[in-house]
Amino acid sequence: DVKVTQSSRYLVKRTGEKVFLECVQDMDHENMFWYRQDPGLGLRLIYFSYDVKMKEKGDIPEGYSVSREKKERFSLILESASTNQTSMYLCASSLGGGDYGYTFGSGTRLTVV
Amino acid sequence: RKEVEQDPGPFNVPEGATVAFNCTYSNSASQSFFWYRQDCRKEPKLLMSVYSSGNEDGRFTAQLNRASQYISLLIRDSKLSDSATYLCVVIYYSGGYQKVTFGTGTKLQVIP
Repeated sequence: DVKVTQSSRYLVKRTGEKVFLECVQDMDHENMFWYRQDPGLGLRLIYFSYDVKMKEKGDIPEGYSVSREKKERFSLILESASTNQTSMYLCASSLGGGDYGYTFGSGTRLTVV
Repeated sequence: RKEVEQDPGPFNVPEGATVAFNCTYSNSASQSFFWYRQDCRKEPKLLMSVYSSGNEDGRFTAQLNRASQYISLLIRDSKLSDSATYLCVVIYYSGGYQKVTFGTGTKLQVIP
């Protein structure tokens, strides 16, 4: 089974801090994604990557950046955390695009105070 | 109108009941459809794809109605372990890219 591992389950950060969320997958998938999930809004795509060093903006990239230096690792960076970035962050991996189905990590619940 | 809409529920059903959820989508060019299951405080997990002709996996049946632009998930003989939130996913293709949209989910609570 594909395993997608997110480094932290819960994080509390202060406004203005730089925050790194790490995600590692172990099945050599080309495609990785970062979503945030908020009540009533569902999952929204922040960034995705189809290859090493390649990144594409999703629907809500503002305030975020990403890094993919190795195939198995996809990092989400909050340059200057704000309270409206308090959310559940989910990393996903896929053999192809969404039509291959996603495997999600267990999520990081980030609280910005 | 939202791209993908689901009744948030909750649907409270007794064990053994049959329950069905719908998910409507606005883009008639949508091509791929899925159902995911998300347990409380857990990540979504792929439940099943939805094929044009309808498909079944054990107690679960997924159907697509292109004319009315909705997909459905039917669960027969509900179990307590079916309690979860069910998310639909709709995909269309534009300019060489996929647009993947998740619904906000329908919560199911199966009651003893």
